Amino acid sequence: QKEVEQNSGPLSVPEGAIASLNCTYSDRGSQSFFWYRQYSGKSPELIMFIYSNGDKEDGRFTAQLNKASQYVSLLIRDSQPSDSATYLCAVNINTDKLIFGTGTRLQVFP
Amino acid sequence: GAGVSQSPSNKVTEKGKDVELRCDPISGHTALYWYRQSLGQGLEFLIYFQGNSAPDKSGLPSDRFSAERTGGSVSTLTIQRTQQEDSAVYLCASSRDRDEKLFFGSGTQLSVL
Repeated sequence: QKEVEQNSGPLSVPEGAIASLNCTYSDRGSQSFFWYRQYSGKSPELIMFIYSNGDKEDGRFTAQLNKASQYVSLLIRDSQPSDSATYLCAVNINTDKLIFGTGTRLQVFP
Repeated sequence: GAGVSQSPSNKVTEKGKDVELRCDPISGHTALYWYRQSLGQGLEFLIYFQGNSAPDKSGLPSDRFSAERTGGSVSTLTIQRTQQEDSAVYLCASSRDRDEKLFFGSGTQLSVL
């Protein structure tokens, strides 16, 4: 089992819809969870982080964490074509290193 | 500096040559990470530094890869006897401390011919 797993996509949603991106992880001791966005040919940039169970909202983005199920998700409301990118889930493993999933490619079409 | 700086931005080398990749993190950031990203793939963890120490080197693909960090600042990733499969973008990132958000450099595109 991979340490951090994501569906590679592409996930295609129409403009204005909600995009739901999912991530599962293997280490029950993980404490920190991050979502990064990466545009083609660019470096990743942080968009959300979450440490506690439940929801965390920031503008159009909501991160959801369920440690019992070892599951973290990212919701993007009112999706825009400019949100089209690869979304990388990252999880702190053994409190020592940040491991990234392979990413989910999101396509928002007008 | 204002951001994480990596050099060179592009490196083309011949198979069997050694290469050095440099990362200059954000001033004051104690944690520094190296990742590798092959075309269309995710980020592969290579090594992590806390200060000058590397608590976790488990991601280094082979003994041809080594890294060091001096003065708690600049880090160098060295690849000896490069192979074609080493071709990738090498990304460096830093954070104020471990377990905090990472700031990435623009990466070094390495091409081994």
